[in-house]
Amino acid sequence: DAGITQSPRHKVTETGTPVTLRCHQTENHRYMYWYRQDPGHGLRLIHYSYGVKDTDKGEVSDGYSVSRSKTEDFLLTLESATSSQTSVYFCAISQTESGNTIYFGEGSWLTVV
Amino acid sequence: GENVEQHPSTLSVQEGDSAVIKCTYSDSASNYFPWYKQELGKRPQLIIDIRSNVGEKKDQRIAVTLNKTAKHFSLHITETQPEDSAVYFCAASRAHSGGGADGLTFGKGTHLIIQP
Repeated sequence: DAGITQSPRHKVTETGTPVTLRCHQTENHRYMYWYRQDPGHGLRLIHYSYGVKDTDKGEVSDGYSVSRSKTEDFLLTLESATSSQTSVYFCAISQTESGNTIYFGEGSWLTVV
Repeated sequence: GENVEQHPSTLSVQEGDSAVIKCTYSDSASNYFPWYKQELGKRPQLIIDIRSNVGEKKDQRIAVTLNKTAKHFSLHITETQPEDSAVYFCAASRAHSGGGADGLTFGKGTHLIIQP
């Protein structure tokens, strides 16, 4: 599982509330990613990080922010959740030792009501 | 940015037959092409990948081919078994020589159904 832990695994929240998803890795990988997965759209990149305090936007970054204050943690924040952000969120890491292979965490199911 | 198209969206084959899923990409700078298998409610699992300096790669019943000129790559599964039933995603990215990679751009997936 490449040492990736996501929390919470399941969450129901109300529209307009802030939500933070956490991705924790234990193997000191430099690159970390956040994806969302929706029916009909596959997996889409939200944000990624290439080091502590170094982040960049992906394809669907609007409404999301990220932070990486430590190598092991990559946080995804929905400042004011909307129903369109109901989705499954996957964290991933790039494992340099295996040629930059990307592995995924188990996912976080978020429902915004 | 990169755009990945995947076909077909659904593929039904008889057990024991072969299955082929095809993808095209748009960014000639992409150099890394993985394939993931995802079962219902689970994370995507890497099953095979290929880099742009290789034309074909095999791992038991699974093979991937890459045509850089035409910007397309394909997944081939031979002797299909019931446990091959899942959704398969192709993806493309630029891996960095110094480590790490741009985020993957995924196709929309193929639902592979193995008929007994």
